[in-house]
Amino acid sequence: GEDVEQSLFLSVREGDSSVINCTYTDSSSTYLYWYKQEPGAGLQLLTYIFSNMDMKQDQRLTVLLNKKDKHLSLRIADTQTGDSAIYFCAESQNRDDKIIFGKGTRLHILP
Amino acid sequence: DAGVTQSPTHLIKTRGQQVTLRCSPKSGHDTVSWYQQALGQGPQFIFQYYEEEERQRGNFPDRFSGHQFPNYSSELNVNALLLGDSALYLCASSYGWTGEDYEQYFGPGTRLTVT
Repeated sequence: GEDVEQSLFLSVREGDSSVINCTYTDSSSTYLYWYKQEPGAGLQLLTYIFSNMDMKQDQRLTVLLNKKDKHLSLRIADTQTGDSAIYFCAESQNRDDKIIFGKGTRLHILP
Repeated sequence: DAGVTQSPTHLIKTRGQQVTLRCSPKSGHDTVSWYQQALGQGPQFIFQYYEEEERQRGNFPDRFSGHQFPNYSSELNVNALLLGDSALYLCASSYGWTGEDYEQYFGPGTRLTVT
């Protein structure tokens, strides 16, 4: 079945890199996403990667995909206080398909 | 461009009542998806509308129904409300994939409390 697992909390010191990990169970997942949710704000699509890719970089964000292990990670370089939020890993099988979300990882920034 | 808007912001209803939530997609977007986000959980897919038709549906009972209008705006209706329906209801608009590009925006949500 479809399931996306992620750790619930992560604390990182300001200026360090944050790495948020995720595993998914559906081997037919073709599209993998990272979302950010700040308190009182809606979800924001940060980035996405296709299953035929190993890595995608977008400014401070780096996504790594290990399709064999069904493992996805999001690295945030030079973490800032504005990065404090809940990050959701998500997947879908096809384009325009329903998106399955994990429970989210709360990123806490230490001064 | 106002982005994705949802109304109302907050709503309190009693068990057994019915509720209608509304969503206006971002200009140029033709697809609307609805999600339910319980406290401390990730969003769960309810259904998706495209060209005024329900294109996909998640594991939600028939008490949850929707509609999409010709201007692409959408409504989510929930009948016979249960306490467990208390959640943040999120609307997402998109225009699907263009090549390798995908654009999707979420609204701020409607917080529904059922007492």
